[in-house]
Amino acid sequence: GQNIDQPTEMTATEGAIVQINCTYQTSGFNGLFWYQQHAGEAPTFLSYNVLDGLEEKGRFSSFLSRSKGYSYLLLKELQMKDSASYLCAVPNTNAGKSTFGDGTTLTVKP
Amino acid sequence: DAEITQSPRHKITETGRQVTLACHQTWNHNNMFWYRQDLGHGLRLIHYSYGVHDTNKGEVSDGYSVSRSNTEDLPLTLESAASSQTSVYFCASSVSGDNSPLHFGNGTRLTVT
Repeated sequence: GQNIDQPTEMTATEGAIVQINCTYQTSGFNGLFWYQQHAGEAPTFLSYNVLDGLEEKGRFSSFLSRSKGYSYLLLKELQMKDSASYLCAVPNTNAGKSTFGDGTTLTVKP
Repeated sequence: DAEITQSPRHKITETGRQVTLACHQTWNHNNMFWYRQDLGHGLRLIHYSYGVHDTNKGEVSDGYSVSRSNTEDLPLTLESAASSQTSVYFCASSVSGDNSPLHFGNGTRLTVT
């Protein structure tokens, strides 16, 4: 089985940097996804990590440590539109289907 | 542009009725999935399909069924709706392979009274 843990809620200030953590336990590992979901909308793909290290994509970066079962999503220069839920997901070993964490709701305040 | 469309967006039904939620994708993806999303539970997998005539149960499949007669469609049927099935349902698709991100539809909010 797979288990994924994320903080439930976080609050940050516009223009700041925030780090959203995700820890996972899985019987096999085929990478880790981050999705963004605005309230009332569908999740959308943000990033995918399969190797250790940091992947940077504009204001968003994602980090993975396979030995520690740990990932984080780093959001820089926060904007109000970044207020959303961020979902960590791990695909199963023999399929494209994923197990999702419960999501971290980020609130960005002025 | 390719897309994945769910219908209806909102549905209210009564306990015991059969309900079918539609999902149609034009990505030409082999993989299709149905998830439900509830407060406190995140996204949970109901059923999935890797191609035409292939269907598989996910972690919360009881009370649901799917069929895959073509690449584009994966309808989800609630055989006899129960109040516990009140939820937001998301359909998703992806190309084959474990490193393929999911493309989600806009969801169907189902209320069972």
